[in-house]
Amino acid sequence: NAGVTQTPKFRVLKTGQSMTLLCAQDMNHEYMYWYRQDPGMGLRLIHYSVGEGTTAKGEVPDGYNVSRLKKQNFLLGLESAAPSQTSVYFCASSYNGRSGELFFGEGSRLTVL
Amino acid sequence: AQSVTQLGSHVSVSEGALVLLRCNYSSSVPPYLFWYVQYPNQGLQLLLKYTSAATLVKGINGFEAEFKKSETSFHLTKPSAHMSDAAEYFCAVSESTSGTYKYIFGTGTRLKVLA
Repeated sequence: NAGVTQTPKFRVLKTGQSMTLLCAQDMNHEYMYWYRQDPGMGLRLIHYSVGEGTTAKGEVPDGYNVSRLKKQNFLLGLESAAPSQTSVYFCASSYNGRSGELFFGEGSRLTVL
Repeated sequence: AQSVTQLGSHVSVSEGALVLLRCNYSSSVPPYLFWYVQYPNQGLQLLLKYTSAATLVKGINGFEAEFKKSETSFHLTKPSAHMSDAAEYFCAVSESTSGTYKYIFGTGTRLKVLA
């Protein structure tokens, strides 16, 4: 049982480059989330989705786009990377967006030079 | 908007001592509250959650938390710390926005266990 899988796990970008992070879950969860983790700031919600074809903005959505074309996948895109987007990104999923447990991937470490 | 505040970004305890990690929430409605643990280079995993049933919630690895509405608190405790408890701990609350829910996390508390 893979749970939540994120790819890639590490990536180095130059300022202005674009990239996509892929999150895949095999638990048939409706809710999926993208967070970024920075020292001293905890986890901050970037975007989330409450079902296939839906997306919504979180606390820090600027500079990111997302898509949920298939229920099991949630993509996070950076169109023009900036050094401020250097972070560890976590994807999570939940069967119930109110009281359900969040299942996390192992994280994707992104460095923007 | 709902929020959680974790007092103390770093906490050190001796092995065998009581662990107390603090979390206060702000919410105008009964909240759903969670504690997660993150070990180095891993994702987060659920320790326990409060969903308006019993106010004292027991979780994995001997941790428990008590929901106190009067104090708007949900502090995490463990009677006797073990070296393997060294990790970062996050308090979280679920928040409703236009009928959908999202999870808001605190800034985390890094627990160090001294031999």
